[in-house]
Amino acid sequence: SQTIHQWPATLVQPVGSPLSLECTVEGTSNPNLYWYRQAAGRGLQLLFYSVGIGQISSEVPQNLSASRPQDRQFILSSKKLLLSDSGFYLCAWWPGGGQGNEQFFGPGTRLTVL
Amino acid sequence: DAKTTQPNSMESNEEEPVHLPCNHSTISGTDYIHWYRQLPSQGPEYVIHGLTSNVNNRMASLAIAEDRKSSTLILHRATLRDAAVYYCILSKISGGYNKLIFGAGTRLAVHP
Repeated sequence: SQTIHQWPATLVQPVGSPLSLECTVEGTSNPNLYWYRQAAGRGLQLLFYSVGIGQISSEVPQNLSASRPQDRQFILSSKKLLLSDSGFYLCAWWPGGGQGNEQFFGPGTRLTVL
Repeated sequence: DAKTTQPNSMESNEEEPVHLPCNHSTISGTDYIHWYRQLPSQGPEYVIHGLTSNVNNRMASLAIAEDRKSSTLILHRATLRDAAVYYCILSKISGGYNKLIFGAGTRLAVHP
């Protein structure tokens, strides 16, 4: 069966510090991978998606970046965090194929920037 | 991107049916209707999806209007574990990937 992991689970970082969040998927190959952010009390905002190794597309311009160094690894980074980067970050994967296939979400990372 | 409109919150009593409405008047012919739910501090969980016909699974039923401009998620017997935020989402394939556009969702409270 497939599983998706995210770490760390929680993170408190000062403004201006770097960020690296990691997501890995097990039990599948060549998944489409996604990074979402959820502000408090809001819905999910799509940040990045990837259809393959080294292929990253951005939905929203910001000071965040994403990389996919391996087929089942997706990394979200920032060189300098802003207060507005606080939120709940979710990684998801999609097996491809038809639109009827669901996206599977990870447990999330709660980031607080102080 | 086509958007969905849902009530901010709804309440139900345990063991009673719950009908969660969703309007998507700008839906296109190839958009699928997906429902996900999210428990506090967890990632969203898939509930059900459909295109034109009504759908049933072990979690819920999805009733889709004939013109596809609205849909209703039906929980047949609400339990306390069904208390969550429910998202009605239109899914489309764009550039080879599956794009989900999340709205604010409906927060469902279930009373014992």
